[in-house]
Amino acid sequence: EPEVTQTPSHQVTQMGQEVILRCVPISNHLYFYWYRQILGQKVEFLVSFYNNEISEKSEIFDDQFSVERPDGSNFTLKIRSTKLEDSAMYFCASRIGQASSPQHFGDGTRLSIL
Amino acid sequence: AQSVTQPDIHITVSEGASLELRCNYSYGATPYLFWYVQSPGQGLQLLLKYFSGDTLVQGIKGFEAEFKRSQSSFNLRKPSVHWSDAAEYFCAAGSSNTGKLIFGQGTTLQVKP
Repeated sequence: EPEVTQTPSHQVTQMGQEVILRCVPISNHLYFYWYRQILGQKVEFLVSFYNNEISEKSEIFDDQFSVERPDGSNFTLKIRSTKLEDSAMYFCASRIGQASSPQHFGDGTRLSIL
Repeated sequence: AQSVTQPDIHITVSEGASLELRCNYSYGATPYLFWYVQSPGQGLQLLLKYFSGDTLVQGIKGFEAEFKRSQSSFNLRKPSVHWSDAAEYFCAAGSSNTGKLIFGQGTTLQVKP
């Protein structure tokens, strides 16, 4: 069964550094998402992406964050200057079409900011 | 504001016992509703979903959920729990336009032998 893959599984970065989290969504999916889960807290929506543009973003997704689909397969989340509070598990998800179709999640990237 | 509430943070049941995990939502209209399960170190796996129609939906691994509009609830049930069901369970509500999911805070299920 096709799945969403995320790399790396764990990223350790110094505060202030840029980090790029990578995702390969399921190949025929059209909608892409990033969520994050701070340890012990709920999963929070960051951004949704469709037709090569952001369709919705949360207040968490400020100017330090950006997303890109540089080619036909990858979907990346960039944090320009990381803060300690960016430490979290980041999940990528994709869905095929209309909003009633379920989102499929990757296994996540654990981001640790030192 | 849109929200999803899972009142039980942690539940312990004996293997073979029945299970019910509660979920309540607050939304402008009836959202799309989902239950996901997360095993340690893994991503979120879809258990089941509700969009419309029959209010009792069947999912994978023997789970089912019942949508009750009058109570704004979407509780997850399983008649007989197995030790492998120990995990964290998330209820989520989805937007009809962007598909953005709003998650509850999760319920950790522990299964006693």
